[in-house]
Amino acid sequence: DVVLTQTPVSLLISLGGQASISCRSSQSLVHSNGNTYLHWYLQKPGQSPQLLIYQVSNRFSGIPDRFSGSGSGTDFTLKISRVEPEDLGVYYCLQRTHNPPFTFGSGTKLEIK
Amino acid sequence: EVQLVESGGGLVQPGRSLKLSCVASGFTFSNYGMNWIRQAPGKGLEWVAYISSGSSYIYYAETVKGRFTISRDNAKNTLYLQMTSLRSEDTALYYCARGAYVMDAWGQGASVTVSS
Repeated sequence: DVVLTQTPVSLLISLGGQASISCRSSQSLVHSNGNTYLHWYLQKPGQSPQLLIYQVSNRFSGIPDRFSGSGSGTDFTLKISRVEPEDLGVYYCLQRTHNPPFTFGSGTKLEIK
Repeated sequence: EVQLVESGGGLVQPGRSLKLSCVASGFTFSNYGMNWIRQAPGKGLEWVAYISSGSSYIYYAETVKGRFTISRDNAKNTLYLQMTSLRSEDTALYYCARGAYVMDAWGQGASVTVSS
């Protein structure tokens, strides 16, 4: 099974600052069709997860450009610039490249100073 | 507006069964693969099961294989999760989510508590 290792476990960022979250996979996430199905989600307190970034670097509808994704193969990064209060919550990466189980990272909790 | 509304959760004794439903609206349900994902109290997300748009492909997490059954009724725009032989470790908030390669819409979740 593919294991996604997310770091750090938690982040304390000042308003207006920048956050960076890493997601490393135990296997390459390049699908046989050439796509890389690595996505990022944010779960705000008391809410369902919401899609932020799909296929490494594509912002989902309505997601501000403060959020950006990058990476390839086994190493991926989510960056949040100009952190705002509504960015707090737990961030998860998810891989949908390899056959089940479809795996989530363990999560990174973002707190605002 | 895309909406997914789960129901059917509750308190159930170990070893018993429960069936969750997820009613979809705002999109053509029969065109999308669907998933169940769960979150134990205070824990992270765990993918549970997937069913393709026409029910041809069905996958389960090892933790529920043989005990849970995912199904759908495209005429009723409804996704199901039949859970049997429930264990305390199945206690979680169960979300349905739309999508095959990308889960782009999630419901609010149905709470399942397995306890005697």
